[in-house]
Order: sequence, then C-alpha cells, then structure tokens
Amino acid sequence: KNEVEQSPQNLTAQEGEFITINCSYSVGISALHWLQQHPGGGIVSLFMLSSGKKKHGRLIATINIQEKHSSLHITASHPRDSAVYICAVPPFYGGSQGNLIFGKGTKLSVKP
Amino acid sequence: ETGVTQSPTHLIKTRGQQVTLRCSSQSGHNTVSWYQQALGQGPQFIFQYYREEENGRGNFPPRFSGLQFPNYSSELNVNALELDDSALYLCASSSRLGGDTGELFFGEGSRLTVL
Repeated sequence: KNEVEQSPQNLTAQEGEFITINCSYSVGISALHWLQQHPGGGIVSLFMLSSGKKKHGRLIATINIQEKHSSLHITASHPRDSAVYICAVPPFYGGSQGNLIFGKGTKLSVKP
Repeated sequence: ETGVTQSPTHLIKTRGQQVTLRCSSQSGHNTVSWYQQALGQGPQFIFQYYREEENGRGNFPPRFSGLQFPNYSSELNVNALELDDSALYLCASSSRLGGDTGELFFGEGSRLTVL
C-alpha cells in the first residue's frame, strides 16, 4: 500500500516568492492529485497528473514517475495562495481515483 | 464552486448516537467518495459508491455505512458514535468513464463534533 510524504510541513513566504512543495510516494501509480484546502475546510482539485508537467495560471505541477516524486510550484506567490496543499495518490497502480491516500499537507502562509 | 453540496455543514452529537450526512454530486457524475479528516491530519478514504454500489472501502468499521441513490446523491451513516469520530467529513464526486474516474470535485464538508 502506498505511503505519501510531503515536505515541508509548514512554509512561510513573502509575497512574490517562488514556492515549491514536494511529494514522494512509495508504490507506482497511474495518477497523482494536488489539492488545495482553505481554512473553512473545502477542498479544490488543482491538478490530476500522470506524467510530465501541467500548468494552470501561476501553478505548475510536475511528476517523475520513475522517481515516485511530484512537485507543486507557485510562481509570484500572493497572500490569497495561503492554504494547505495536499498531495494524494491511489493505494496501488490502477486503483480508482476516488480511493486515495493523502499526504498530511503543507500549510502555506504568504505574507504581504 | 463545484456544484457538490453537503449537509449539514455543522452538527453536534453525543456518544452512542447515530448520524446521517448527505452529499449531492455534481450533475453528470456517477461516483461519490467519502473521506474523514481529523483535525490537523490529511483526509482518509472511507468508501466510494459507483452507480449505487459500494466500490471500494478504506479501513473503517462496519458502523460506517453508506448509500447512493438513483440520482447519484449519497449518504454516509455512522452508528454508535465515538469521540474519535469527531472530524470533517468530505465527499467528492467524479465521473467514471472507461474504468477510470476523472477529476474529483469536493464539497465543503460536514463538521461533526461528538461529545
């Protein structure tokens, strides 16, 4: 069964900084999710990716399937990016995407 | 806004009671997954429903049960509540095409406190 490690656990940045959050997992997967959770609790799906790189606005997600590692980058960070960022993967290759193992999250705080 | 709605948003129960949480999936989505998130932790998968059948279950006891209705909305029922059941309960809907579920759309969650 997969295990997910995220780093760092907490991250404080100044507005405008480039941010990187890392995620490692132990078992091969078909796709990985990056999620954003705001203080109220609701979760928004940012990316679902199985290879290479995806970009949406100031957010970029990359994945290296061979190394079992993914990164989430935020360019030109802004206080509204402050949230918890969570990486999630299926427990095994080919598992349905809803059955996920979640990292503990990275709490990001961007100061103006 | 995702179109996935959960109710109630907050509720307080006492030990031993039963609770029912509801989730309406996004239009066109036939799969609903439920998760429990304790304070300061990442979510944990409870179970998933696909076309009204349970389709995968995490490490939760049988007192956690669910239903999915013909309109693909879903319920999570928890019997004999324990203090450790206090958590945020999240549901996510997705569309299963060709055996692969797609992107997940989450609701805002139901925060349960057990006293």
